Amino acid sequence: GQNIDQPTEMTATEGAIVQINCTYQTSGFNGLFWYQQHAGEAPTFLSYNVLDGLEEKGRFSSFLSRSKGYSYLLLKELQMKDSASYLCADTHRAGSYQLTFGKGTKLSVIP
Amino acid sequence: NAGVTQTPKFRVLKTGQSMTLLCAQDMNHEYMYWYRQDPGMGLRLIHYSVGEGTTAKGEVPDGYNVSRLKKQNFLLGLESAAPSQTSVYFCASRPGTSGNEQFFGPGTRLTVL
Repeated sequence: GQNIDQPTEMTATEGAIVQINCTYQTSGFNGLFWYQQHAGEAPTFLSYNVLDGLEEKGRFSSFLSRSKGYSYLLLKELQMKDSASYLCADTHRAGSYQLTFGKGTKLSVIP
Repeated sequence: NAGVTQTPKFRVLKTGQSMTLLCAQDMNHEYMYWYRQDPGMGLRLIHYSVGEGTTAKGEVPDGYNVSRLKKQNFLLGLESAAPSQTSVYFCASRPGTSGNEQFFGPGTRLTVL
């Protein structure tokens, strides 16, 4: 299977900016997803990047570099409700566009 | 629209018992997926379906069977449950070629004693 790497845990302060990185294998790569998952709940879609560059959606932005096999999720003006796990997932053409998930980054926002 | 629903929400089984988890979606999606999520392991794909009447194996299919007799339903079966199958099971669906986002159900928490 494809390897997705992201940090296990991060802590950031309310009102600050945090960047969550993700690396993946570039061979056959199609696109990169970010999902948010609060404890005990289902994952919910945040973003999908298929082209290089930064895509902004309100306080959340996602960046992709296809040549480097690298993505990040940027969260601005952190709020306590942003405490959650953030899941990076990629799709590859050879896998019928299935999602392969990383292990997730647990973000704790502190006052 | 209810989106993706899963039945049951919780279940406790004894080793060797069987059960079926039901996933239903009302969005007319072609693709449906079953994942399991374990601490420190992330979401792992068990089986998936690209349309009514079709199924395929994912990353961790052993010990599970699936059926997609109707487009809106995707069933996950455990014929002889084992403690290693204690997990949270998520179903997801997505449109065919028109969209990429997967929509997740609320999950089923299964404990096998």
